[in-house]
Amino acid sequence: DQQVKQNSPSLSVQEGRISILNCDYTNSMFDYFLWYKKYPAEGPTFLISISSIKDKNEDGRFTVFLNKSAKHLSLHIVPSQPGDSAVYFCAAITQGGSEKLVFGKGTKLTVNP
Amino acid sequence: GAVVSQHPSRVICKSGTSVKIECRSLDFQATTMFWYRQFPKQSLMLMATSNEGSKATYEQGVEKDKFLINHASLTLSTLTVTSAHPEDSSFYICSALDGEKLGEQYFGPGTRLTVT
Repeated sequence: DQQVKQNSPSLSVQEGRISILNCDYTNSMFDYFLWYKKYPAEGPTFLISISSIKDKNEDGRFTVFLNKSAKHLSLHIVPSQPGDSAVYFCAAITQGGSEKLVFGKGTKLTVNP
Repeated sequence: GAVVSQHPSRVICKSGTSVKIECRSLDFQATTMFWYRQFPKQSLMLMATSNEGSKATYEQGVEKDKFLINHASLTLSTLTVTSAHPEDSSFYICSALDGEKLGEQYFGPGTRLTVT
């Protein structure tokens, strides 16, 4: 049973436009969510996170939105740049638990110049 | 930011041999480290949780006798793939938990294992 789902395996956007990556989760115990960016043959790097007590967190070009009632979060990248091309993983965790990250399958973002 | 290293970055070994992969936290102490495996076109799969000074906790379906994990110090965890087979070829990634920063794990650069 996949607890964190990224239903779009790939996304292609034009440079300068907005990229929206979506993530859904099923476990209501998750209360902290993270986005990681991964280039081929490298480990993931942390991008941005959000606690369940918030519905929005912004860091530069990256904004994460959380809709708890829908168990849905999204990552917005504005404006998108070719260097943003990578695989983006959504992850969830239960605070005070085992600290195990539960990952989605990832969405490959391609930003075209 | 915190840095986690892995060694080696890539290794090729023959079927039946064992390979050890090291994961080090360079500027913080990590009481907990995680080992992941990434298959092509698939997500990261958590293999086991490594706690300093105690036995690792393996995820369901992961053979603990095949993937030996040792977390002997607060900065080092090792994964040994024993009697490797071609199907063990994969990209192995470790992460280290900084206990002072909730939820954030710092990932190593990964190790590409190829078993011939």
